[in-house]
Amino acid sequence: SAVISQKPSRDICQRGTSLTIQCQVDSQVTMMFWYRQQPGQSLTLIATANQGSEATYESGFVIDKFPISRPNLTFSTLTVSNMSPEDSSIYLCSVEVVRETQYFGPGTRLLVL
Amino acid sequence: ELKVEQNPLFLSMQEGKNYTIYCNYSTTSDRLYWYRQDPGKSLESLFVLLSNGAVKQEGRLMASLDTKARLSTLHITAAVHDLSATYFCAVKLGGATNKLIFGTGTLLAVQP
Repeated sequence: SAVISQKPSRDICQRGTSLTIQCQVDSQVTMMFWYRQQPGQSLTLIATANQGSEATYESGFVIDKFPISRPNLTFSTLTVSNMSPEDSSIYLCSVEVVRETQYFGPGTRLLVL
Repeated sequence: ELKVEQNPLFLSMQEGKNYTIYCNYSTTSDRLYWYRQDPGKSLESLFVLLSNGAVKQEGRLMASLDTKARLSTLHITAAVHDLSATYFCAVKLGGATNKLIFGTGTLLAVQP
């Protein structure tokens, strides 16, 4: 299994500002994923973050808006840049444990005013 | 593009009743997941289904996978209020990506 923590757990931000979300895992993992869950919706993958390489972004998500860092095998950050109210969502990181499942962090609840 | 559809989107059922949630997906996959999400919480892994005909059971929940029909089901037996949550299926794309495509989710409300 994997235990994942995220910081902050929630935040209220002003439009035009940026927020960096941290994701820490208790074991080394190759792939980390960042998802967005808009209110009342399902999860949408933002990007896959592999250590030592550039993140791979899904259609509709760009690096300038959602820069990601992956400095080592247990940590990643997602920045939501130049925020607007449409960015209000829950942001979740997840990791895959080989031969098990994908585990999800507790999420960061973001409200942009 | 892989699409994952669940139905129903909302399910209200009485305690003690049985029901099934369906998850259809549009392309081949080698793995299907079921998750539970309580309000304001993250996702809890329920089942991982790895092959055609796979069946897994945990308590009142049983999940199955038919890869030929591209269909997974989550069957609820004798529902209890504690099962009230949103249930998601997710399909893993093949190859090296390891990414999951999530279904729309089913909001289950079990009434006493």
